Amino acid sequence: NAGVTQTPKFRVLKTGQSMTLLCAQDMNHEYMYWYRQDPGMGLRLIHYSVGEGTTAKGEVPDGYNVSRLKKQNFLLGLESAAPSQTSVYFCASRKPGGYEQYFGPGTRLTVT
Amino acid sequence: AQRVTQPEKLLSVFKGAPVELKCNYSYSGSPELFWYVQYSRQRLQLLLRHISRESIKGFTADLNKGETSFHLKKPFAQEEDSAMYYCALGFPSGSARQLTFGSGTQLTVLP
Repeated sequence: NAGVTQTPKFRVLKTGQSMTLLCAQDMNHEYMYWYRQDPGMGLRLIHYSVGEGTTAKGEVPDGYNVSRLKKQNFLLGLESAAPSQTSVYFCASRKPGGYEQYFGPGTRLTVT
Repeated sequence: AQRVTQPEKLLSVFKGAPVELKCNYSYSGSPELFWYVQYSRQRLQLLLRHISRESIKGFTADLNKGETSFHLKKPFAQEEDSAMYYCALGFPSGSARQLTFGSGTQLTVLP
């Protein structure tokens, strides 16, 4: 089992460009989450999903969109990247009734 | 609103010394507290959960509701304990459970 994987690992964007981060999990988990990690601020929840076809906003959703068309995939989109979105992005998944979130390796995004 | 505070950004101890990583929380409901750890070049992973009350890798953490704290302790630190430690508070949100993370403490165990 690969667990939670994230694509790409690194990306540099120019202000105004768009991109999509892909999170995939092979554990058949219902719940999936997108976080951003900034120095001195810990992880903050951007969006989450409780199942295929459903998404919800987290603590810092502005500037991001998400989709969960397939249970195993959770996509995070930046329509018009801004330097404030320079961060490390983590995806996580969890099974219903479980308490542990399983994290991906992260994507380091730089917006210039 | 819920909040998790880790007052120490950096903490250094010598090998064999006791270590305590502080975590305080604010939450109006019944808290569910966790410690997650991120070793160098590894992904974030669960270390322990307050309900289980078990010792993992020699670490323990006791939930003190009176002081709203969940400090992580180990009596004798090892070099392999060097990592980033995050305290997290779990709470219900709609049909899901979310985590609110503290800002993290970078622990360095010196030889």
